[in-house]
Amino acid sequence: QVQLVQSGAEVKKPGASVKVSCKASGYTFTNYFMHWVRQAPGQGLEWLGIINPSAGSTSYVQKFQGRVTMTRDTSTSTVYMELSSLRSEDTAMYYCARDILGATGGRGYFDYWGQGTLVTVSS
Amino acid sequence: SYELTQPPSASVSPGQTASITCSADKLGEKFASWYQQKPGQSPVLVVYQNNMRPSAIPERFSGSNSGNIATLTISGTQAKDEADYYCQAWDSTTVIFGGGTRLTVL
Repeated sequence: QVQLVQSGAEVKKPGASVKVSCKASGYTFTNYFMHWVRQAPGQGLEWLGIINPSAGSTSYVQKFQGRVTMTRDTSTSTVYMELSSLRSEDTAMYYCARDILGATGGRGYFDYWGQGTLVTVSS
Repeated sequence: SYELTQPPSASVSPGQTASITCSADKLGEKFASWYQQKPGQSPVLVVYQNNMRPSAIPERFSGSNSGNIATLTISGTQAKDEADYYCQAWDSTTVIFGGGTRLTVL
């Protein structure tokens, strides 16, 4: 069965960086795009960007350009999301989510989600 | 920037039909998907590409998209359908989420 298992909760100080992992299993890793979505406490969903695990290519929302980096390790079927220069507003649950179509024709959708990783930024 | 607008809340009586809207300019020319999120849980896909339903999702969930409005409809609403619902679409190469609608079943 498809599983996306994320790394554990993190507590970071302002200005630091955090790297969250998402290990995929139960399907061919390189056949699906992976997105990162975050949700601040009591708030809605916010998209951070997408990675193509096959090519390693990425696309980030402009708001996070220069602060977010998404990478993958095909040998372990794992994708990573690193966010730098953390501030209190980055406190949120971070999710990875799978998508077979990506931006192609605007048809992409998220059929499986990780369990979430809580990142807390506090001095 | 492109925005998807949802009402913050909606309510429905058990057994009745709930309709949750998502509006944006020419949304009907795009593909809308819907996610259900219960407290403390990850979102779950309930409708994709306007009106397609994943195999594990009950038939009472359906979707439509025309003009400027996409609609998620829940027929015969059950207490367990109480949750937050989010619409999602693509604007070129960017994913957009609606602000979410809290559905109360009372």
